[in-house]
Formats: sequence, C-alpha cells, structure tokens
Amino acid sequence: LAKTTQPISMDSYEGQEVNITCSHNNIATNDYITWYQQFPSQGPRFIIQGYKTKVTNEVASLFIPADRKSSTLSLPRVSLSDTAVYYCLVATRSASKIIFGSGTRLSIRP
Amino acid sequence: SAVISQKPSRDICQRGTSLTIQCQVDSQVTMMFWYRQQPGQSLTLIATANQGSEATYESGFVIDKFPISRPNLTFSTLTVSNMSPEDSSIYLCSVEDRTSGSNLRLETQYFGPGTRLLVL
Repeated sequence: LAKTTQPISMDSYEGQEVNITCSHNNIATNDYITWYQQFPSQGPRFIIQGYKTKVTNEVASLFIPADRKSSTLSLPRVSLSDTAVYYCLVATRSASKIIFGSGTRLSIRP
Repeated sequence: SAVISQKPSRDICQRGTSLTIQCQVDSQVTMMFWYRQQPGQSLTLIATANQGSEATYESGFVIDKFPISRPNLTFSTLTVSNMSPEDSSIYLCSVEDRTSGSNLRLETQYFGPGTRLLVL
C-alpha cells in the first residue's frame, strides 16, 4: 500500500476554500486515491475518490495531476461543520484492507 | 449504504477484566474490520474478520488479546482481554457494503460510531 503524507493540521475561516494536499510518490498504476472525513466522536466516512484529473461531487473536489504523485482535496466555502480530520488513502481495488495515515486535522473558525 | 451499530457505546472497566464489543450491520456483508483509535491519533487496523474463516490479525495484535467472532454476515464481536490502561481507546468496526468479491472497494466502506473504552 502506497504511503501518504499530509499536513498534520490546517486552520481556515468560514466561507473560505480549503485545499488539503496529499503526497503519494510511490503510487502504483492500479492505485486509486480516496479521501475520508472523520468528525469528532464518529467513525470515518468516504467523501471522494479518483484515479486521475478531476473529480467533483456534492461535498468536495479532488484534483490529481498527470503524474499522480500527489492529490488535492478541495472544500469550497467551508463552514464550522467542516471541522474534522481528513484522511488520504491510496490503494488498489484488489486491496484486502485499509491502512490509515496520520490525517489532516482541519479547524474552521467563525 | 450500510448502517452499523456498536454496543456498548462506551464503558469504564477495571484492569484485568475483559470487554466484548458487538458490531451489528443492517445488511449482509462479506468483509468486516476492527480498528483501534487512541485519543487524537489515526486509526490502527487490528484485524480483518471475514465470515467463515479465522480472523487475520495485523502485526502487534494477537488472538489471545483480541479474540474475534464472526458467526454470520451481519454480526461480529471483538473482545479486549485482560485489559490494562494502555487499552483505553476507541474501538471501531467497519464493513464493506457488499456480499461478494474479495477485492476491497474503499468507496463502499462504512464505519460504526465506535466504542469508547476507559480502563482504570
């Protein structure tokens, strides 16, 4: 499983766009990039997944450059409720387990 | 999406005792996982529990300390045995919302709310 590196923490303000970058230099050809979100006192939940270029859903956008050695999770116009830990994971669809990295603790202020 | 419940939601236990945590899913799933999350830390995989086979433990975790049962496709238990204060943590179960295939699909992975354990 490819190792990932993320900032330990980030701060932002309500209404701002937040971009969290994840490095995965050893990503393999068959690996997908997946982001999870964990609110306090809850289990993680899937928010977005991509293989290359850009993916967008109702929660976030995921930008993946051509070399796929990094990815950026973009949260548009954050609110206080976006305060959470965000985990970047890289794995193939033939993986048999999920290994979590350290995650990024995002704090949103009024 | 799968809905997962865990019992108990929290407990305070004395050292040397054991606690069994239950994980119930509202649909049949093949793959179930148990994680530990210490305060302010990331999740650490304890073991994978697939129905019909023995649980597979990660490095640093052993069956004698964390016995797991998986009697059917909707239920699993994790026991934390002979507890010490170092076992104080949140224990979470997760499932993949499918009943077929052995390849993991991260987009269909769901987590329970966790069991908060404090050992005195």
